[in-house]
Amino acid sequence: DQQVKQNSPSLSVQEGRISILNCDYTNSMFDYFLWYKKYPAEGPTFLISISSIKDKNEDGRFTVFLNKSAKHLSLHIVPSQPGDSAVYFCAASAEFQGAQKLVFGQGTRLTINP
Amino acid sequence: DTAVSQTPKYLVTQMGNDKSIKCEQNLGHDTMYWYKQDSKKFLKIMFSYNNKELIINETVPNRFSPKSPDKAHLNLHINSLELGDSAVYFCASSQAHGSEAFFGQGTRLTVV
Repeated sequence: DQQVKQNSPSLSVQEGRISILNCDYTNSMFDYFLWYKKYPAEGPTFLISISSIKDKNEDGRFTVFLNKSAKHLSLHIVPSQPGDSAVYFCAASAEFQGAQKLVFGQGTRLTINP
Repeated sequence: DTAVSQTPKYLVTQMGNDKSIKCEQNLGHDTMYWYKQDSKKFLKIMFSYNNKELIINETVPNRFSPKSPDKAHLNLHINSLELGDSAVYFCASSQAHGSEAFFGQGTRLTVV
């Protein structure tokens, strides 16, 4: 039962263009969403997040959009740079027994071509 | 000064052995996690501890036993290792709900 889904296992984008990564979730209890970036042989690193009370959050080249009614979020990277090539994980968070339960999607491998 | 550190980074061992992976965080976080990334690259939560108390156990075989001696440490002990346990295990920590989790660099476990 995959509560967070990233349906595109891979995405290839030309340098300078926009990269759009998508994520869907099923559980209405999730109220905080995060994107992580992962390089090989390293742990995931936090990129950007959004609370369910917002529909957009921007940080430099990265923008996350949340559509609660569709249970869908997306990460936009513009302009895309070669260093952005990595695996991107979407994560959704719900409060659980006073703490946080963080559930991840299966990841999308982004390749930026020069 | 690593925020979340786990050791060892690589672990190769034979089937049937018992092994431990250690994790420490210096961020003062209340919640710590163990995640498993399998061959299909899914990041699946295994356990979560909040203030040294187990709060999440995601139907992990009882050969896996987490231990949290204090808030800053969450170790993972695995008994009777099987081939299917081969994966990368990540430790993470976070503060309250609505904050990002910080991950360790991972432990690649290979069971032969």
